[in-house]
Amino acid sequence: VQLLESGGGLVQPGKSLRLSCEVSGSTFRNYGMNWVRQAPGKGLEWVSGISGSGVNTYYADSVRGRFTISRDNSKNTLYLQMNSLRAEDTALYYCAKDSWPSGRLYYFDYWGQGTLVTVSS
Amino acid sequence: QSVLTQPPSVTAAPGQRVTISCSGSTSNIETYSVSWYRHVPGTAPKLLICEDNKRPSGIPDRFSGSKSGTSATLGITGLQNGDEADYYCATWDSSLSAAVFGGGTKLTVL
Repeated sequence: VQLLESGGGLVQPGKSLRLSCEVSGSTFRNYGMNWVRQAPGKGLEWVSGISGSGVNTYYADSVRGRFTISRDNSKNTLYLQMNSLRAEDTALYYCAKDSWPSGRLYYFDYWGQGTLVTVSS
Repeated sequence: QSVLTQPPSVTAAPGQRVTISCSGSTSNIETYSVSWYRHVPGTAPKLLICEDNKRPSGIPDRFSGSKSGTSATLGITGLQNGDEADYYCATWDSSLSAAVFGGGTKLTVL
């Protein structure tokens, strides 16, 4: 199983960015997917999760209302639409595959290498 | 402030045993299974323990997990220099309807 994130970059505060995570080697639709981030000098922070069907979504309080998680099971791809970005959203963003379809964490068995998002003017 | 509390750092000598605690509450650890991850910043985190105490394929038996009530523990025996990393516990929290990570524990082997 391989997870490959893309879409990171430098963006101004208040602007938007969309991250993608392409998954190979797994029956994508059978598993929940998540975004986890690590800000500079900080620990891992869960950002958002989505069920295998895409029906159920979950968000950390810090991003609810600004970020939207989605998936395209026909393309084996997970997305994170990030709006109204803030300096504190600066982090390395990882996608992580869960071991069951729910969207609520069971355990993350595979992770990507991450994509860096920098929010700065 | 993380919902799950871990010691910021632990230090032990090569060959020794170390334990890392993860303290939570009834809405998370007591109710849901705990997983543990090894992370070197800038690289992909790695699953060490799932379902409180199960080792995924390829994880040596030097690593163990346990849980009692609202606390979980990761144990590492036969410490090696290569074990130096940050270690995180994680679980689901029903009050937050969110996944939660501990603050992380930096393991130093010297």
